[in-house]
Parts: sequence; structure tokens; C-alpha cells
Amino acid sequence: ETGVTQSPTHLIKTRGQQVTLRCSSQSGHNTVSWYQQALGQGPQFIFQYYREEENGRGNFPPRFSGLQFPNYSSELNVNALELDDSALYLCASSWTGISTEAFFGQGTRLTVV
Amino acid sequence: GESVGLHLPTLSVQEGDNSIINCAYSNSASDYFIWYKQESGKGPQFIIDIRSNMDKRQGQRVTVLLNKTVKHLSLQIAATQPGDSAVYFCAESDGGGADGLTFGKGTHLIIQP
Repeated sequence: ETGVTQSPTHLIKTRGQQVTLRCSSQSGHNTVSWYQQALGQGPQFIFQYYREEENGRGNFPPRFSGLQFPNYSSELNVNALELDDSALYLCASSWTGISTEAFFGQGTRLTVV
Repeated sequence: GESVGLHLPTLSVQEGDNSIINCAYSNSASDYFIWYKQESGKGPQFIIDIRSNMDKRQGQRVTVLLNKTVKHLSLQIAATQPGDSAVYFCAESDGGGADGLTFGKGTHLIIQP
């Protein structure tokens, strides 16, 4: 186990709704990244938070937003959900944003109906 | 489009044989290449990484080879075991972390008894 925990594990939402996913990073890690993994695909980078600020972002619209808290835990918020947002959302924690030392949680499976 | 990809979606090997999983990349500026293993219902698990100034790196039962001339990465698993059954992803990073990891689509490794 990596020590990165995500909640909830599964979630069903209706199109147009908003959702908040949560991640607790591994002890000693100060950076959190979020990824979206569609079925049968590799994870796609959404954004990264370091010291409570977003310091990197992939090709995702503004309705994907996040927060990082003083204890380094993080939230991913998605507004105006679309059917294509159905995916596994992964959180990865690392120290000072070194990608190769990132440890992933088990993910949150989001289904939009 | 994808900057990192894999040649085969599925690879079937006999238990005890060696497995070789291949990956092609296109971004010459990438500084790190990483292999992840993802079992069903779990997040990606770090296996091994290699820096762009190296050609080969060995771990426990795994070896990663990097050929920068043809932009090719491979993962060799020795004496494949049933527990090796999973989807394997290669990923690339610029090392700085803020742009996240770029993953390929993955290869499903199936172990035949």
C-alpha cells in the first residue's frame, strides 16, 4: 500500500451536477497531482498542487478545479458534469513535485448518468 | 495526441518465461521514463524508472532499456509469475514535475499457466 487514500471509492452523479473527490497524501509528501483515467486508457494529467497552489495543469477545462490544504491533503472539484467525465480519478502524492517518485491512490470511480 | 505509446495492447506469456513490454515515445526533451503496473481496481504502482542519460537500469526481476536513437523503451520481466498479470504503462516526465506524467495506453500482460 502507498499510504495515499482517496474517497469515496465509487460515486454516481447525474449530468450537470457537481462533485468533490478527496485525497490524503502519503506522510512526508507535500505535492499532490490528479489524473483522469478513462476505461482502457492511460491516466491523463489534470493538475498539480504544491504549497496550496496550482503549479501545473494539463489540457482540462476550468470546470475542473482543486484545492490543497495545509496538511497537504487535496480535493478535486468538477462542475457541470458531463457523461464523458465518467472515469477513474487518481490522486498521486510526491515530495516537491518529483514525478518519478509519485505514489498513487486506488482511485475514485465516477460514473455520470 | 499521445507522446508516449505502447506497441501491443495485449501480451500473453507462459509462466516462468521472460516478458518484454515495449514502448515508443516522441518527446526527445523528456528527462525521465517510468514503468507502472496497474492491477484491476487499483492505482498505478511504480516499478522502475530510468533517466535519459542512461541506457539500462535493473531492479528486482525487472530491467528497463532505453534507446534514445529510436525513441524506444522496454521493460523486461524475468521468470514471469501469475502475480505479474496486470496492465503495464510507460510514462514520461520532464523531471520538473509541474507538467505531470504523460502515460501511454498500456499493455495488458496475461500469464498462461
